[in-house]
Amino acid sequence: DAKTTQPPSMDCAEGRAANLPCNHSTISGNEYVYWYRQIHSQGPQYIIHGLKNNETNEMASLIITEDRKSSTLILPHATLRDTAVYYCIVRPFFQGGSEKLVFGKGTKLTVNP
Amino acid sequence: KAGVTQTPRYLIKTRGQQVTLSCSPISGHRSVSWYQQTPGQGLQFLFEYFSETQRNKGNFPGRFSGRQFSNSRSEMNVSTLELGDSALYLCASRPTGATNEKLFFGSGTQLSVL
Repeated sequence: DAKTTQPPSMDCAEGRAANLPCNHSTISGNEYVYWYRQIHSQGPQYIIHGLKNNETNEMASLIITEDRKSSTLILPHATLRDTAVYYCIVRPFFQGGSEKLVFGKGTKLTVNP
Repeated sequence: KAGVTQTPRYLIKTRGQQVTLSCSPISGHRSVSWYQQTPGQGLQFLFEYFSETQRNKGNFPGRFSGRQFSNSRSEMNVSTLELGDSALYLCASRPTGATNEKLFFGSGTQLSVL
């Protein structure tokens, strides 16, 4: 079972920041937080991941709380193309070389014009 | 660089038949994973292959099998199809099989079982 809880849906105005929350209160010390998104009719796309420090890349920023029980994915200037289902995933650091991901139900983000 | 390629894009089969789906990973990628996506169960891990060896397997019946070839291309097979096997089957690849590598997904094969 997924170890994360996300709101089922969110709306955001185009050009504004989209802040997607994720609760992972049972996360262990060696588990990473990953974010993927899935645009309709496509496969999931990697966005970002982190362990305990905040991370930023060209797509988004990831803010992880100090106790690591929750995190927020930030899309700084959402566009219509960011409309997708966003998945927050908790992944053990070591999986014997395997990269099995356990997806939850995700958050359906709709960016409105 | 071409992305992950899955063929066919759509497939219709009837109960009891078997089906083979194909996945060509990104050039140079050695690890291939398969996922099943249904409206009810969401995305579920099927199995992962690295250098022609199955590295991990999800909780699916033995009707679901896969293999990987020396060129890293992978196939998955479902025998004795059931209506519940109707799903989007997604393939993902990653470069070296090291820890914490991001996955690159294809667009999937939509399988309908009638």
